[in-house]
Amino acid sequence: ETGVTQSPTHLIKTRGQQVTLRCSSQSGHNTVSWYQQALGQGPQFIFQYYREEENGRGNFPPRFSGLQFPNYSSELNVNALELDDSALYLCASFREPSSFEAFFGQGTRLTVV
Amino acid sequence: SQQGEEDPQALSIQEGENATMNCSYKTSINNLQWYRQNSGRGLVHLILIRSNEREKHSGRLRVTLDTSKKSSSLLITASRAADTASYFCATDAVSGGNNDMRFGAGTRLTVKP
Repeated sequence: ETGVTQSPTHLIKTRGQQVTLRCSSQSGHNTVSWYQQALGQGPQFIFQYYREEENGRGNFPPRFSGLQFPNYSSELNVNALELDDSALYLCASFREPSSFEAFFGQGTRLTVV
Repeated sequence: SQQGEEDPQALSIQEGENATMNCSYKTSINNLQWYRQNSGRGLVHLILIRSNEREKHSGRLRVTLDTSKKSSSLLITASRAADTASYFCATDAVSGGNNDMRFGAGTRLTVKP
């Protein structure tokens, strides 16, 4: 088990609603990335945060946004939920932006109905 | 978009046999990593191989990297039922530096007792 915790573990939302997912990074890690994993697929990079600023973004629309706090915990916010947003959302913390080993949380399973 | 492609998509073997999974990727890389995921939970880092390395071992795992063919293989020797999981390769682009790791779709390994 890594020291990365995510909450909640499961969530059901209605199309059009907004959702906030939370992640607590491993101690000593200052960089966090968020991934979306659809059923049967590999994780897709959403964005990364370092020192409370976005430090890279994948091919996701602006309704996916994030925050990183001074204690390095972070949030993923998704507005105007669509059915295709149903997926496992994973956060991964890194010791620093130049390190490559990712420490993943257990994920939040989001279902949009 | 996904960078790596694992092959095969699914693999079923008996306990004690060896399991080999392959990964191909498209662009030049700094590093290639292999991760393991148990049924929809978080990913666990297994091994990292740098672009200037050709082979690496960790316990029952052996990873090879052929940058000329843009491919890697993961060998699990003397497999156990507990090795049943999905295995993903992840690459980071040379032009990256923000830990924009790209994952393949994974190989689903089933080890029968």
